[in-house]
Amino acid sequence: LAKTTQPISMDSYEGQEVNITCSHNNIATNDYITWYQQFPSQGPRFIIQGYKTKVTNEVASLFIPADRKSSTLSLPRVSLSDTAVYYCLVGSNDYKLSFGAGTTVTVRA
Amino acid sequence: NAGVTQTPKFQVLKTGQSMTLQCAQDMNHNSMYWYRQDPGMGLRLIYYSASEGTTDKGEVPNGYNVSRLNKREFSLRLESAAPSQTSVYFCASSEVQVGQYYGYTFGSGTRLTVV
Repeated sequence: LAKTTQPISMDSYEGQEVNITCSHNNIATNDYITWYQQFPSQGPRFIIQGYKTKVTNEVASLFIPADRKSSTLSLPRVSLSDTAVYYCLVGSNDYKLSFGAGTTVTVRA
Repeated sequence: NAGVTQTPKFQVLKTGQSMTLQCAQDMNHNSMYWYRQDPGMGLRLIYYSASEGTTDKGEVPNGYNVSRLNKREFSLRLESAAPSQTSVYFCASSEVQVGQYYGYTFGSGTRLTVV
């Protein structure tokens, strides 16, 4: 299973763009990169998934370089409600995906 | 709304008591999972069920048992609760097929305290 490394915490202010980089040096050919968001007292919520290049949806963008050894989740113009823990997962057809400690993003007014 | 439903939402047990956490999903997913989350830590996999009729151990299975009752339901049982099992428990489901991968859908969690 590909191991991921991401920052423990990040601080930002409302209206700024937040970029969280996840390292996954031993990503396998079939692995996808998936990001989840977790608010206090809730289960994680799927945000975005990608395999290569760039993926964008209404919530975030995911940038994946050609070597796929890292990925960056970009949250545009964050608000206080974006304060949460963000998890980066890498995997494919396996059932033992590991959620590390994630990145705690704190957005301040 | 479609999703994963967990019951109960809160529970307090005395050491040595037993209980079953219930989980049901209505998305026709093949795979279901039980995770626990302790303060300041990520989610750790307890057990999973790749498909109806199969279950396998995850990272921290000791002290737990599971039953995949049917495609919709996956229960987690604590036979003799211990204070170390105080945690928030999350159930999740996903669709995993050869050559494709889809994300997990999580329930809202069960907050369990063992005294």
